[in-house]
Amino acid sequence: GAVVSQHPSRVICKSGTSVKIECRSLDFQATTMFWYRQFPKKSLMLMATSNEGSKATYEQGVEKDKFLINHASLTLSTLTVTSAHPEDSSFYICSARGHRGSPLHFGNGTRLTVT
Amino acid sequence: AQSVTQPDIHITVSEGASLELRCNYSYGATPYLFWYVQSPGQGLQLLLKYFSGDTLVQGIKGFEAEFKRSQSSFNLRKPSVHWSDAAEYFCAVGEWDNNNDMRFGAGTRLTVKP
Repeated sequence: GAVVSQHPSRVICKSGTSVKIECRSLDFQATTMFWYRQFPKKSLMLMATSNEGSKATYEQGVEKDKFLINHASLTLSTLTVTSAHPEDSSFYICSARGHRGSPLHFGNGTRLTVT
Repeated sequence: AQSVTQPDIHITVSEGASLELRCNYSYGATPYLFWYVQSPGQGLQLLLKYFSGDTLVQGIKGFEAEFKRSQSSFNLRKPSVHWSDAAEYFCAVGEWDNNNDMRFGAGTRLTVKP
């Protein structure tokens, strides 16, 4: 089945630094990738939608200058948390969708801790 | 606007007992429905999906779900729960040909008693 690889699975960084999270579709071309944030015991909160070769569409309330998304190819999207602060600590999950009618496939998530 | 409701935040069942997780949706067009499972600290795994055809859908790990248009429901079931089924379950609704439109329910946490 379709596989989405997300890396790293865990990252600890100091406040003020930037962190990049990668999301790769391993066996299909992902025309659309999604980035979510999940708070403890909560559902997924969609942060942004990215289509290959175009700018990401951010959900209301998500700072696009803070959460930089790049979807440079059909198999790779990256989320960069810039100037991270402790309140950015969270579980970030990506998903990818290929052809029309295909379901979303999720990465295993990245646990970000900002100290 | 489309939405998904999972009425049960937390359900506890005994191992070997049957399970039903509820999902109701609100959608203007023909919905594309999904159930995902999330183990602690992990991403989401697709259990099953439905768009058309037989309204009883079989998924992985022994799960099934039944689409009932009249009730706007897509409940997930399993005849006999295993301890490894303890996880968070999410129902989701999307649109077949719209990659950018998908909504998730709040999730139901399943605890399995020995």
